[in-house]
Amino acid sequence: DVKVTQSSRYLVKRTGEKVFLECVQDMDHENMFWYRQDPGLGLRLIYFSYDVKMKEKGDIPEGYSVSREKKERFSLILESASTNQTSMYLCASSLIGRGQGSYNEQFFGPGTRLTVL
Amino acid sequence: GDSVTQMEGPVTLSEEAFLTINCTYTATGYPSLFWYVQYPGEGLQLLLKATKADDKGSNKGFEATYRKETTSFHLEKGSVQVSDSAVYFCALSLRGYQKVTFGIGTKLQVIP
Repeated sequence: DVKVTQSSRYLVKRTGEKVFLECVQDMDHENMFWYRQDPGLGLRLIYFSYDVKMKEKGDIPEGYSVSREKKERFSLILESASTNQTSMYLCASSLIGRGQGSYNEQFFGPGTRLTVL
Repeated sequence: GDSVTQMEGPVTLSEEAFLTINCTYTATGYPSLFWYVQYPGEGLQLLLKATKADDKGSNKGFEATYRKETTSFHLEKGSVQVSDSAVYFCALSLRGYQKVTFGIGTKLQVIP
């Protein structure tokens, strides 16, 4: 079974702190994603990575950065946390879809609920 | 751009009632369609999928049919259980692209 783990289930930080959220997957997936989940807004893509050291901005990258030094690990960084970054953060991974009929099932971690005070 | 529309809910049903959660989509290409489920305190997991028109995805008693003519992928279950209480996300992915576009999620509450 694919397993995606996130470093913390709950995290409380103060405004202005630098925050690191870690995600690790054990199935050799090429793609990794960071989303935030907010009531009434669903899942919004922050960043994704399709290979080591490669990254692309998602829909809401402002205030975030990412790092992917190893294939299995994808980190989300809040350079200076703000209260509007209080949210549930979900990490996901997937294989690169290849061929006709391939689909991109994403496997999710349990999420990190971040509160910024 | 590509988008998925579904009601937010909550949808409240009694046990053994029939469930329908509507999902419609807009896509520039020919998408694959998915339903993901998120149980309380957990991440999302794939419930079912369909990759071409008229395909029916099914799992755990849930079904959804890919309707290209109405750009819809409605989720149905004949008899819901309390254990089905969760948030359900409709989603699409275009071939050749790695990203998935999610709807806002529909919260289902099933009461005994």
